Amino acid sequence: DTEVTQTPKHLVMGMTNKKSLKCEQHMGHRAMYWYKQKAKKPPELMFVYSYEKLSINESVPSRFSPECPNSSLLNLHLHALQPEDSALYLCASSPVTGGGGSTGYTFGSGTRLTVV
Amino acid sequence: SQQGEEDPQALSIQEGENATMNCSYKTSINNLQWYRQNSGRGLVHLILIRSNEREKHSGRLRVTLDTSKKSSSLLITASRAADTASYFCATDAGGNNRLAFGKGNQVVVIP
Repeated sequence: DTEVTQTPKHLVMGMTNKKSLKCEQHMGHRAMYWYKQKAKKPPELMFVYSYEKLSINESVPSRFSPECPNSSLLNLHLHALQPEDSALYLCASSPVTGGGGSTGYTFGSGTRLTVV
Repeated sequence: SQQGEEDPQALSIQEGENATMNCSYKTSINNLQWYRQNSGRGLVHLILIRSNEREKHSGRLRVTLDTSKKSSSLLITASRAADTASYFCATDAGGNNRLAFGKGNQVVVIP
């Protein structure tokens, strides 16, 4: 299995809702990532997990709460989001070796989030 | 965190032509990677070049890296309509899994 699976593919949520994005991989990668991408912009790093521990938080607002229950799963819990948080949220995984080793990162197809 | 910057940002070519994109970055790097993104979905890793390498090939892709100029180029030869996508370079500066993406190039290949 060489894929990163993200669910749901699309999500519409109100500003008072609580929702979660899910990401799963079975490649044995021990580094997992959340990126946020606005239209016509490059992906921006949000969080990095290494060996199931949060290693990087790029000053992301607390309304985004990551969780890594085990080495295959990564969640992003959403609460009290704003319309400007609408974006494509991408999950990725890689070997822990810096920069993804020789194979780079494997990305999921993303969750397109709309906050209304 | 540093980011690569690509130039040009939009490229429209005929099928069969070659497409060249450039990327510049600001600090020392461990490696530089190129990714493709179709229609705002997931990114696909194309090729990785390490800081001690100068050129790398993968199929119709050729990547060069000039660490003295802090720049890289991606050449797609004999382009196809399926190559229509956005292409991003990304750099890993400190080896700490903080991969930063450049602005991206939109490539349109006209059949």
